[in-house]
Amino acid sequence: NAGVTQTPKFRVLKTGQSMTLLCAQDMNHEYMYWYRQDPGMGLRLIHYSVGEGTTAKGEVPDGYNVSRLKKQNFLLGLESAAPSQTSVYFCASSYFPWSSYEQYFGPGTRLTVT
Amino acid sequence: DQQVKQNSPSLSVQEGRISILNCDYTNSMFDYFLWYKKYPAEGPTFLISISSIKDKNEDGRFTVFLNKSAKHLSLHIVPSQPGDSAVYFCAASSIISSGSARQLTFGSGTQLTVLP
Repeated sequence: NAGVTQTPKFRVLKTGQSMTLLCAQDMNHEYMYWYRQDPGMGLRLIHYSVGEGTTAKGEVPDGYNVSRLKKQNFLLGLESAAPSQTSVYFCASSYFPWSSYEQYFGPGTRLTVT
Repeated sequence: DQQVKQNSPSLSVQEGRISILNCDYTNSMFDYFLWYKKYPAEGPTFLISISSIKDKNEDGRFTVFLNKSAKHLSLHIVPSQPGDSAVYFCAASSIISSGSARQLTFGSGTQLTVLP
């Protein structure tokens, strides 16, 4: 049972390049989330999904797109990377939110945009 | 406008003593609170939680206290061990405005160092 995995672990992009971060979970969770963490700040919610085929915006969605084509995968895309998107990105998943409040996190992806 | 604040970026404690990590919040809609622990190059891992209808929850060496009137919670670790050295995040749960899910709002974290 791998839990929540993220690929890649590190990436360096030039301004304007695009990339996709992959999150996979093997716990059969309905809910998945993407966060970013910047120095001196807590994790902030970018987008989330309440089930396969659904996505919704979180606190800081601008510049990002997401897709949830399969229940176990949640993809985060940057179409045109900007230096302000340099951050550590965490994916998380959870059971139905009305019975469990805990989210399970992946190890993170460190992205640098130059 | 930070809704969850951890005002101490760092805390050093001697092994065997008590560690007390503090967290303040402003949003009355938060109804569940969690503490996460994070080691370098790893994701946060859940440590302990408390519902807003309780004022204390204990799990082994870890106890969380909630003071709703003061909008304050704290995490006590007794006795502290060197392996407890990590960043601790306070998080508060609330219903997302669409009503279809819950979200966690995180504090900025406190780096705990337990000295041997």
